[in-house]
Amino acid sequence: NAGVTQTPKFQVLKTGQSMTLQCAQDMNHEYMSWYRQDPGMGLRLIHYSVGAGITDQGEVPNGYNVSRSTTEDFPLRLLSAAPSQTSVYFCASSYSRGYTQYFGPGTRLTVL
Amino acid sequence: DQQVKQNSPSLSVQEGRISILNCDYTNSMFDYFLWYKKYPAEGPTFLISISSIKDKNEDGRFTVFLNKSAKHLSLHIVPSQPGDSAVYFCAATGTSYGKLTFGQGTILTVHP
Repeated sequence: NAGVTQTPKFQVLKTGQSMTLQCAQDMNHEYMSWYRQDPGMGLRLIHYSVGAGITDQGEVPNGYNVSRSTTEDFPLRLLSAAPSQTSVYFCASSYSRGYTQYFGPGTRLTVL
Repeated sequence: DQQVKQNSPSLSVQEGRISILNCDYTNSMFDYFLWYKKYPAEGPTFLISISSIKDKNEDGRFTVFLNKSAKHLSLHIVPSQPGDSAVYFCAATGTSYGKLTFGQGTILTVHP
């Protein structure tokens, strides 16, 4: 099992550009989520999904879109990047809601 | 509104001694608590968890204690090893809704 994989590892964007952060898991987990980590703030939930076709907002959803067309994939889209979105992004998955979540290696995003 | 707080940004311990990391929470709906360890440039890795029906859970050198009345949990590492040097995040969730709420993290440094 590869677990949770994320691409790319690093990305630099200019303000206003769009991009998609990819996340995939091969554990047949129902629950997937996206977090951002900022200094002194811990990890904050952006969006989450409890299964294919079902998504919901987390604590800091503004500026991000998600969709879940398959169990395996949960991409995060930045529609118009802003410097405030400079952060490290982590994707996580778990068997179901309330179970232990397992994290990918992260994507470090810089918006200039 | 920080529902999960780790009030110590850093902790320094000598190899072989005990490391105690603390975490406080405010939301009474939380009933499942986790500790994650994070090395630089990697995703958080699950360390140990505890359900609210227990007050202690052990796994090798790691023990988590939960004091529900005080809304406080702690992670004990005995004996501490240099390889334990990392950022430790406390997280909490309610099994009915599954979203993880993280603390800000504590940087543990174990000196040889």
